[in-house]
Amino acid sequence: GENVEQHPSTLSVQEGDSAVIKCTYSDSASNYFPWYKQELGKRPQLIIDIRSNVGEKKDQRIAVTLNKTAKHFSLHITETQPEDSAVYFCAARSVSNFGNEKLTFGTGTRLTIIP
Amino acid sequence: DAGVIQSPRHEVTEMGQEVTLRCKPISGHNSLFWYRQTMMRGLELLIYFNNNVPIDDSGMPEDRFSAKMPNASFSTLKIQPSEPRDSAVYFCASRRTGLGETQYFGPGTRLLVL
Repeated sequence: GENVEQHPSTLSVQEGDSAVIKCTYSDSASNYFPWYKQELGKRPQLIIDIRSNVGEKKDQRIAVTLNKTAKHFSLHITETQPEDSAVYFCAARSVSNFGNEKLTFGTGTRLTIIP
Repeated sequence: DAGVIQSPRHEVTEMGQEVTLRCKPISGHNSLFWYRQTMMRGLELLIYFNNNVPIDDSGMPEDRFSAKMPNASFSTLKIQPSEPRDSAVYFCASRRTGLGETQYFGPGTRLLVL
């Protein structure tokens, strides 16, 4: 099955600086990679996603890059703000031989923005 | 749109008791997912349904766990008997296949088994 590794597990960044979170996946057939943000005590919420036919996607201060050859994708947050403090999860969607779809999540990165 | 609705939001029970968690997916969504989140194991997919049919239950930890989806607007996750190690936050998520891949999560049920 799919295996997703996420690094770092914790990240502290000065307000205004950039933050980068990296994930690798094992199943070369995985075709969809969402990123979720989870604030303390709340539900995971999608912040950006990328499909395997695209190398990069940007939405305001957030961008995601995908390297299919290396099976690696990253989340970039620029001009960080205190409200960016949260746990971020990457995920990869794989499809089995029977057509079953499954999102496998990384272990999460706790991002702290230092004012 | 009310989003995914889960009940109860919090549940405290004693070991051995039956626990039933409920989920109402977003109207029009035809895939529903049950996840469990703990500090030790992160977010784990327990089971998912497509058009009310269980597709993949390989994540269900053991026979004490069961899930049903009797219709397109309702699903339950049952634990019987419950054990302290079942303590976790249980999330339900839904999405519409064919038009997008985004899964929308419910607020979760925080379960504590004493």
